[in-house]
Amino acid sequence: GENVEQHPSTLSVQEGDSAVIKCTYSDSASNYFPWYKQELGKGPQLIIDIRSNVGEKKDQRIAVTLNKTAKHFSLHITETQPEDSAVYFCAASIGDSSYKLIFGSGTRLLVRP
Amino acid sequence: KAGVTQTPRYLIKTRGQQVTLSCSPISGHRSVSWYQQTPGQGLQFLFEYFSETQRNKGNFPGRFSGRQFSNSRSEMNVSTLELGDSALYLCASSLEGGGRQFFGPGTRLTVL
Repeated sequence: GENVEQHPSTLSVQEGDSAVIKCTYSDSASNYFPWYKQELGKGPQLIIDIRSNVGEKKDQRIAVTLNKTAKHFSLHITETQPEDSAVYFCAASIGDSSYKLIFGSGTRLLVRP
Repeated sequence: KAGVTQTPRYLIKTRGQQVTLSCSPISGHRSVSWYQQTPGQGLQFLFEYFSETQRNKGNFPGRFSGRQFSNSRSEMNVSTLELGDSALYLCASSLEGGGRQFFGPGTRLTVL
């Protein structure tokens, strides 16, 4: 069945360093890939997304890259800050229905001051 | 615009009972999706409603059901609660279901 693998499960970086989280998806028909940030006691917050017709997208300190051939996509956070500490989830649409998402298992990011 | 709201935020039930959770989407959004989040299984898709119709359903037993009203508000119901149903239930809304999904804060259900 459809699957999204996310690595690493935990990531600790020094403030100011970069953080990279990687995901692999199995459904070749997936065409929408959002990333969410979830803080304790809150629902997931959409931070960036990308569609399959785009290879890279950037929004200030956050960027996402997509390699459709390899079925890989990654989240890059530069100049990390303590407030970036949270759990990050990648997701992929199931087939071409972007309203149905399958999520990765999450990455707990800790930014050390 | 106000975000997605979910009520109640916390619920405690006992095995065998049933529960109804409510979700109000962002104004103008017509699609509502429901997800279950647990430490062991992560975020799992339950079902999605658009214009009062269920368009897709995840791999959950028939005890999990939902509906959507004409104002796009949605409810989900879980009957004959089991201990394993303890989870954070999240709803997400989007304009027409083919775009960005925005999550609410969730309802934390504890089954004793």
